[in-house]
Amino acid sequence: NAGVMQNPRHLVRRRGQEARLRCSPVKGHSHVYWYRQLPEEGLKFMVYLQKENIIDESGMPKERFSAEFPKEGPSILRIQQVVRGDSAAYFCASSPTGATSQPQHFGDGTRLSIL
Amino acid sequence: AQTVTQSQPEMSVQEAETVTLSCTYDTSESDYYLFWYKQPPSRQMILVIRQEAYKQQNATENRFSVNFQKAAKSFSLKISDSQLGDAAMYFCAYRAGGGADGLTFGKGTHLIIQP
Repeated sequence: NAGVMQNPRHLVRRRGQEARLRCSPVKGHSHVYWYRQLPEEGLKFMVYLQKENIIDESGMPKERFSAEFPKEGPSILRIQQVVRGDSAAYFCASSPTGATSQPQHFGDGTRLSIL
Repeated sequence: AQTVTQSQPEMSVQEAETVTLSCTYDTSESDYYLFWYKQPPSRQMILVIRQEAYKQQNATENRFSVNFQKAAKSFSLKISDSQLGDAAMYFCAYRAGGGADGLTFGKGTHLIIQP
């Protein structure tokens, strides 16, 4: 079974452009989580989605960031008008249910670089 | 808010020896789960071991075991018979039992294996 697939692996954007990061969860998983990892830091929770619903977005900046997980297709993390501080690795994880006992399976991440 | 603290930015151990990585956390919840994740240079996040707070018995997975001290809010990871492939960043993580949000990670410990 394929694991969590994230693409692109690397994304380069200029300041002011938009960045779209995609995440396809493990087949059969309907819960998706996005995390951001700054250099030399641990992962920071951003948003938790279930199909077509945002469950918790308490870790996501209020401006410029949005996330969706449509009924069909991958989850998308969208960053508008990117700034240098958005440079980071963005990880997606999925689980079959939202139960805490279920481990989250992580993708390999997307490394976003802002020029 | 929950916090996870890893006080050792870097640890070094001789191959075949045993090493213990420290983790403390702060929470007012009584129901929660704790995890250790490994992040090798490839950046992939790999689940090493997990512990349910309501279980007194320490979790064990082959050469990996934990020392869970609930009253002290301590969750250390012991790696026995260290191997070169164990070299990685190790992150301690917490998740409340309600499952309504994501994982809270520590800043990580960089483990070096000396041949």
